[in-house]
Amino acid sequence: DGGITQSPKYLFRKEGQNVTLSCEQNLNHDAMYWYRQDPGQGLRLIYYSQIVNDFQKGDIAEGYSVSREKKESFPLTVTSAQKNPTAFYLCASTRNTEAFFGQGTRLTVV
Amino acid sequence: AQSVAQPEDQVNVAEGNPLTVKCTYSVSGNPYLFWYVQYPNRGLQFLLKYITGDNLVKGSYGFEAEFNKSQTSFHLKKPSALVSDSALYFCAVRSYSGSARQLTFGSGTQLTVLP
Repeated sequence: DGGITQSPKYLFRKEGQNVTLSCEQNLNHDAMYWYRQDPGQGLRLIYYSQIVNDFQKGDIAEGYSVSREKKESFPLTVTSAQKNPTAFYLCASTRNTEAFFGQGTRLTVV
Repeated sequence: AQSVAQPEDQVNVAEGNPLTVKCTYSVSGNPYLFWYVQYPNRGLQFLLKYITGDNLVKGSYGFEAEFNKSQTSFHLKKPSALVSDSALYFCAVRSYSGSARQLTFGSGTQLTVLP
């Protein structure tokens, strides 16, 4: 079945650590996105990529980094510079007018 | 810049009654409009979209939405609510003007259907 896979589902990070969230899609979609979800704030765009080897900052890119070396993969690294990383992270991919989401990763700082 | 407003954080409705979840948008050019539903600790599921054509769009699970260009609205509706419809609903807009190829979401509306 085609779809978007995010892993892990739950992730715990110690303060000062970098962690990487995985997002893989087999839908042959060109564009991929990372969103952060906080209670009562909806979804905020972190980064997006329209083609391989190209990505753009979204509204809240500070403290995050991404790469797009393959069409299928768009990993997100939450760096130690991100002061409040505890949130639910959602990956999405789009082609033309269709957008599909992964099941999310809940990141908690301990 | 494009934006989406969902003016109600919470909507409560009795089972069997009609429901409406409101959404207004601001975008340059023609809007592509979407509704998604989210259950706890899950990703977003697509409900329906408006691209062009008929202003009344029918989607999954008996939901529909009406595009109103003059009021820049895209309200989600269902004639008879079910308890299982209780979830968080997001409206989103996407524009193809320039390079703004990104979805912008509203803040979400928590729908609770009471038995």
